[in-house]
Amino acid sequence: QKEVEQNSGPLSVPEGAIASLNCTYSDRGSQSFFWYRQYSGKSPELIMFIYSNGDKEDGRFTAQLNKASQYVSLLIRDSQPSDSATYLCAVNLGGTYKYIFGTGTRLKVLA
Amino acid sequence: GAGVSQSPSNKVTEKGKDVELRCDPISGHTALYWYRQSLGQGLEFLIYFQGNSAPDKSGLPSDRFSAERTGGSVSTLTIQRTQQEDSAVYLCASSPREEIAGVREQYFGPGTRLTVT
Repeated sequence: QKEVEQNSGPLSVPEGAIASLNCTYSDRGSQSFFWYRQYSGKSPELIMFIYSNGDKEDGRFTAQLNKASQYVSLLIRDSQPSDSATYLCAVNLGGTYKYIFGTGTRLKVLA
Repeated sequence: GAGVSQSPSNKVTEKGKDVELRCDPISGHTALYWYRQSLGQGLEFLIYFQGNSAPDKSGLPSDRFSAERTGGSVSTLTIQRTQQEDSAVYLCASSPREEIAGVREQYFGPGTRLTVT
């Protein structure tokens, strides 16, 4: 069974710190990887995606992908209380329109 | 432009009744997905439609669940004989046919919160 695993948290970090969110996946055929942010009671919103090994930066967010280790992470620099949310990792299986989501990590940024 | 819309935003129904949930994708998006999210859980894939291809129904939990997409646009998810375990938020997402560097992004609607009493 194809799986995407995330630590449910909560992960608590002080304001201004770097938050590190991790995700592992089981299917080596996975080709693209997505991070969504979901505020309580709201729908997921796309933060960024990555498909090549290495780092991809977008503002305060950096996605990191290591296909050999089947590992993707999201770093949030200068964390703000408004970043407090659940972060969902999603994987697109190669050659398909299918996405597998993790159960999410709840992040708390403490003021 | 307009995003994905869903209706109703909330639905309370009695056990055993049928319900219909509607999704209107972003104009021009060819792929449409339905997911279910139970309280404190991740997104559970239900079904997706891509253009005129046969839908992938592999995630539907039982034969009480069905979905259709008319004219390649609006989709309706129908749950027959609802059960309490069907209570969840039902999310619809759409995706464009075009890829950005081999990647198709999904855009989610606001969801329909279904409560079966």
